[in-house]
Amino acid sequence: DIQMTQSPSSVSASVGDRVTITCRASQDISSSLAWYQHKPGKAPNLLIYAASSLQSGVPSRFSGSRSGTDFTLTISSLQPEDFATYYCHQTNTFPLTFGGGTKVEIK
Amino acid sequence: EVQLVDSGGDLVQPGGSLRLSCAASGFTFSSFPMAWVRQTPGRGLEWVSSIGFSVSDTYYADSVKGRFSISRDSSKNTLYLQMNSLRAEDTGVYYCAKYRLSGQRYFDSWGQGILVTVSS
Repeated sequence: DIQMTQSPSSVSASVGDRVTITCRASQDISSSLAWYQHKPGKAPNLLIYAASSLQSGVPSRFSGSRSGTDFTLTISSLQPEDFATYYCHQTNTFPLTFGGGTKVEIK
Repeated sequence: EVQLVDSGGDLVQPGGSLRLSCAASGFTFSSFPMAWVRQTPGRGLEWVSSIGFSVSDTYYADSVKGRFSISRDSSKNTLYLQMNSLRAEDTGVYYCAKYRLSGQRYFDSWGQGILVTVSS
């Protein structure tokens, strides 16, 4: 199975900060990676697919990038509604696997 | 507007069975693969199962293989998850999810989630 190692597990940040979350795949997954935002009591929300494509309706402050087996989600200027848990998700090979999550908390 | 409504969650004893349903509307259900994803206590998101367009086009996480069965009824626009031999570690919130496109395993729409509790 492909392991997705996500870091950090939590980050404290202030409104307006730039936040970066990283996921490393245990083997090559091409660009078959998505990022989701998950808030308590709500369904997860697709932010980025194919490593760097912005899902329709998602604010442009969210962006994704890839370097080999390393993937990054960047929030350029954190907004109050962005405090949530973020997950990466590899879709290259079954079984599909998620990273462990990064909780973005208010500083 | 795409809508997915999960139902069927309950409290069940270890070894018991449960069937989850996901009623779909707002899109051509028969044209999209579907999946179940769960969030278990203290753990993050875990993919459970996916289904394409035929009975043989099904996939399962190792943790549920042989115990869970995914199916779909396009005449009813409904996705199912039959869960047998339930264990305490199956406790969690289960979401149905729609693939963004056939061939793209990104989940662009999700149900509201349904709680499954396995406990004696």
